[in-house]
Amino acid sequence: RKEVEQDPGPFNVPEGATVAFNCTYSNSASQSFFWYRQDCRKEPKLLMSVYSSGNEDGRFTAQLNRASQYISLLIRDSKLSDSATYLCVVSGGGGNKLTFGTGTQLKVEL
Amino acid sequence: EPEVTQTPSHQVTQMGQEVILRCVPISNHLYFYWYRQILGQKVEFLVSFYNNEISEKSEIFDDQFSVERPDGSNFTLKIRSTKLEDSAMYFCASTGQGRTEAFFGQGTRLTVV
Repeated sequence: RKEVEQDPGPFNVPEGATVAFNCTYSNSASQSFFWYRQDCRKEPKLLMSVYSSGNEDGRFTAQLNRASQYISLLIRDSKLSDSATYLCVVSGGGGNKLTFGTGTQLKVEL
Repeated sequence: EPEVTQTPSHQVTQMGQEVILRCVPISNHLYFYWYRQILGQKVEFLVSFYNNEISEKSEIFDDQFSVERPDGSNFTLKIRSTKLEDSAMYFCASTGQGRTEAFFGQGTRLTVV
């Protein structure tokens, strides 16, 4: 089983749409959870940390379900500039190293 | 806004040659990392470094690889004898004390020919 599993997509959505990404992780000892964004051939950039209580940052909402080992990201009112690959990332269970999913590609279209 | 900087942005080297990739982490950060991403694949952990020593390394980080913090600002990754399969994007990252969010440099694209 992959350590962090994501649907690779691509998700093609019209501007203004709401889109949701899901992710599962295998290590129950994982302690920290993140969504990163990666543009083509660029570095991963932190989008948001994910907490058990859920957290929101503008149009972005992240949720964590520790019992199901499941993380989600919701993007509302999609913009063209949201087009990127969204990386589900976990750490902990031994050190601060980050374990990445393969990413979910989002394409927002006119 | 403080950022992690990496040099060079692109390095082309012949198979068997040594390369050194350089990074300047964010100044008050204490934990440093190298990751790599082969084209079309996921980002993979190589090594973490804290208090002037390796704290964790992956199976990828074999004897061909080494890291060093030669002074108070630079953090380097050396590959002694490059192989074709070392071709990848190499990212340096750093985190602050008590934090887990990592900030990445813009990467060095290594091409081994």
